[in-house]
Amino acid sequence: QSVLTQPPSVSGAPGQRVTISCTGTNSNIGAGYDVHWYQKLPGTAPKILIYENTNRPSGVPDRFSGSKSGASASLAITGLQAEDEADYYCQSYDSSLSGFVVFGGGTKLTVV
Amino acid sequence: QSQLVQSGAEVRKPGASVKVSCKASGYTFSNYGIGWVRQVPGQGLEWMGWISAYNGYAHYAQNFQGRVTLTTDTSTNTAYMEMRSLTSDDSAAYFCARGNGYNPALDIWGQGTLVLVSS
Repeated sequence: QSVLTQPPSVSGAPGQRVTISCTGTNSNIGAGYDVHWYQKLPGTAPKILIYENTNRPSGVPDRFSGSKSGASASLAITGLQAEDEADYYCQSYDSSLSGFVVFGGGTKLTVV
Repeated sequence: QSQLVQSGAEVRKPGASVKVSCKASGYTFSNYGIGWVRQVPGQGLEWMGWISAYNGYAHYAQNFQGRVTLTTDTSTNTAYMEMRSLTSDDSAAYFCARGNGYNPALDIWGQGTLVLVSS
């Protein structure tokens, strides 16, 4: 069971908008710690999409955006494309005894 | 361009140890830390720990404390992850990634190293 809770799966049609939530507690996201988001395709290394809640690294399309409110964060993908089909993970810091960096359980995005 | 290149796949017997390398290039190695993440087949990403390439300070996730050792060699710009007392549950892909701070944004990743633990 992950400290950060993500929906196991989401889906959307090409061109649509989807959001992926990442729900934490007052020892991680709710305590003000930043959230980062990664995209992972099978057999490849994760790729950073969003860092520090809302920032996009150069080269990441502006179809990807991040937000954070209270103890939750969200990743939004607009203009869904077939190539967006992947697993998505959120990451934050947890100050409890579990210690340090924590990942969400991951969300499988299916483009139908 | 900045990149991390990891060592190749490993096969070990239960109880053995494995040491995975992660060679950095294209940036000043000592300016960043290296985090280690693993993914067991069919499961999500799991944080293992982080080491500063500047001073060698390392901290470990609770699940790996005492069984994993992270090191760096600034003469070769290489980070290492050694895991001892392997079990079949440790069969996974192991990734190194560049990042700084207590909650690093991991912006450059190695390609991953598959470790298979089997008798």
